[in-house]
Amino acid sequence: ETGVTQSPTHLIKTRGQQVTLRCSSQSGHNTVSWYQQALGQGPQFIFQYYREEENGRGNFPPRFSGLQFPNYSSELNVNALELDDSALYLCASSSQTGSSAFFGQGTRLTVV
Amino acid sequence: AQSVTQLDSQVPVFEEAPVELRCNYSSSVSVYLFWYVQYPNQGLQLLLKYLSGSTLVKGINGFEAEFNKSQTSFHLRKPSVHISDTAEYFCAVSEGGYSTLTFGKGTMLLVSP
Repeated sequence: ETGVTQSPTHLIKTRGQQVTLRCSSQSGHNTVSWYQQALGQGPQFIFQYYREEENGRGNFPPRFSGLQFPNYSSELNVNALELDDSALYLCASSSQTGSSAFFGQGTRLTVV
Repeated sequence: AQSVTQLDSQVPVFEEAPVELRCNYSSSVSVYLFWYVQYPNQGLQLLLKYLSGSTLVKGINGFEAEFNKSQTSFHLRKPSVHISDTAEYFCAVSEGGYSTLTFGKGTMLLVSP
């Protein structure tokens, strides 16, 4: 059984650029959620995907978008990066019949 | 809407001493409750969860938590901490295992010799 993997682990972008983060869900899980964790804060829910459809969204602007693929892996895209987008981005996978979400190691995004 | 309050941002404790990390939640529906641990530069690892049944839940690494519905609390305890328990601990609530999680701001547990 493979765990949740995220790539890349770190990256640095310039304000105004676009970024794509990737997540492979745990085997058997069909739901992926993305969270943003700013320094010193708890994770904040961005959105969730279930069977390739967005299934809930937190209080984030439209420049945060995502995709889920048939193999249940997922991407998080952020356009027009702002300095405040600097954070750890966490992906979590779960199943509709399960009781827990399992997290990847995260991608540390720094916007300069 | 759900919310989680972790009452202490930092808890310093000596090795082998007991510790309690406090968590209160609010929700208009039945909830699932979780504690996650985050080591430096790592993702979140599930420590334990309350879904239903016994209000005392045991987790990994010797941690346990007690669900108190009347006080809307889910405090985390360990009878004897180790240096290796130094980490950030997050309490979270959801409406189902596949539902989104609402996290508290975290409690940093600092264990010193």
